[in-house]
Amino acid sequence: GESVGLHLPTLSVQEGDNSIINCAYSNSASDYFIWYKQESGKGPQFIIDIRSNMDKRQGQRVTVLLNKTVKHLSLQIAATQPGDSAVYFCAENSGGSNYKLTFGKGTLLTVNP
Amino acid sequence: ETGVTQTPRHLVMGMTNKKSLKCEQHLGHNAMYWYKQSAKKPLELMFVYNFKEQTENNSVPSRFSPECPNSSHLFLHLHTLQPEDSALYLCASSQVQGGGSREQYFGPGTRLTVT
Repeated sequence: GESVGLHLPTLSVQEGDNSIINCAYSNSASDYFIWYKQESGKGPQFIIDIRSNMDKRQGQRVTVLLNKTVKHLSLQIAATQPGDSAVYFCAENSGGSNYKLTFGKGTLLTVNP
Repeated sequence: ETGVTQTPRHLVMGMTNKKSLKCEQHLGHNAMYWYKQSAKKPLELMFVYNFKEQTENNSVPSRFSPECPNSSHLFLHLHTLQPEDSALYLCASSQVQGGGSREQYFGPGTRLTVT
């Protein structure tokens, strides 16, 4: 079936290090991917998105990489800060119904000062 | 108010109660969504409304009843819930348009506890 999942449920890094959060998806028809950050007591917040015609996209301190061959998505956070501590979700959309996102389980990122 | 707001933020109800969750979006979007977020599970899409019309019901039990009176407001009416329905209920909105961003904007959620 179609699914989006995360390899690591938890990730602990030192402040200032780079973080990499991974995501696998199984729907080969997916053409749009998005990363969300959810802090405790808040709803998910958009970080960055990428379309399937790209393999890399950069934002402020974040980079998303897409490997369609192996159906893998990653989020890289440079110089991780304590404020980056949160749960990170990837989500995918297959374009047919462009309003429906399928979410992965989430990875808890903890940044140690 | 800006973005997506949800009320109440916390709700405790008994299994025989009837309550409603409210969501309002101030972004001019044309689609709204209800999600359920339980511990150790991915976000589960419950309902989708596009231009006030329900376009998705993800096999949700009838004890959850959505209502979308206009494109800015979304309700989730609850009755005779079960303890396993305790979760964070998230509302989101987006602008559905060809070729545009598919980002959904989320509210802060309602933490529901069924006793």
